[in-house]
Amino acid sequence: DAKTTQPNSMESNEEEPVHLPCNHSTISGTDYIHWYRQLPSQGPEYVIHGLTSNVNNRMASLAIAEDRKSSTLILHRATLRDAAVYYCILVLYNTDKLIFGTGTRLQVFP
Amino acid sequence: KAGVTQTPRYLIKTRGQQVTLSCSPISGHRSVSWYQQTPGQGLQFLFEYFSETQRNKGNFPGRFSGRQFSNSRSEMNVSTLELGDSALYLCASSLEGLRYEQYFGPGTRLTVT
Repeated sequence: DAKTTQPNSMESNEEEPVHLPCNHSTISGTDYIHWYRQLPSQGPEYVIHGLTSNVNNRMASLAIAEDRKSSTLILHRATLRDAAVYYCILVLYNTDKLIFGTGTRLQVFP
Repeated sequence: KAGVTQTPRYLIKTRGQQVTLSCSPISGHRSVSWYQQTPGQGLQFLFEYFSETQRNKGNFPGRFSGRQFSNSRSEMNVSTLELGDSALYLCASSLEGLRYEQYFGPGTRLTVT
């Protein structure tokens, strides 16, 4: 079965780049990779998603390995507001079933 | 544009009772999904509705059900509540489905005693 693996926690200093990894070794060629984050006491918030190519938006960048077995969410300059739990989610193409990672808790220090 | 709203925000029920949670999606969104979030299991997908039809379903027992109305509003029902059903229930809407950007509501915190 498809699954995703993320580190439980990571730390960063403010204004530094952060690279959040996700392993999804059982991904198939048409499964989408989504990232969401959840701030304390809030619902998850969409960050970015991609299929094969690297993606950029105003919040972050998504780097997808050439074999698609892993991806990395990149926050270019962490701020205190970026402290959250980041979830890597696979959306399986054939069934639209969602596979959640356990999430990485990011701490950002001033 | 108004965000996803969920009612009620907090709910306390007793084992054996049933509960109905409501979700109003962002205007124009046709897909509504429901999730359960617990400290032990994390985020788990319950089901997705699109144009009043259940399109996808997670691995939850039949006690968990839902429906979507013609205005895209959705309700989730849990019958014969168990202590383990205590969780944050999140609703999310998107334009076309799970492959697209989803907007989450603040959730309904259900406590079963």
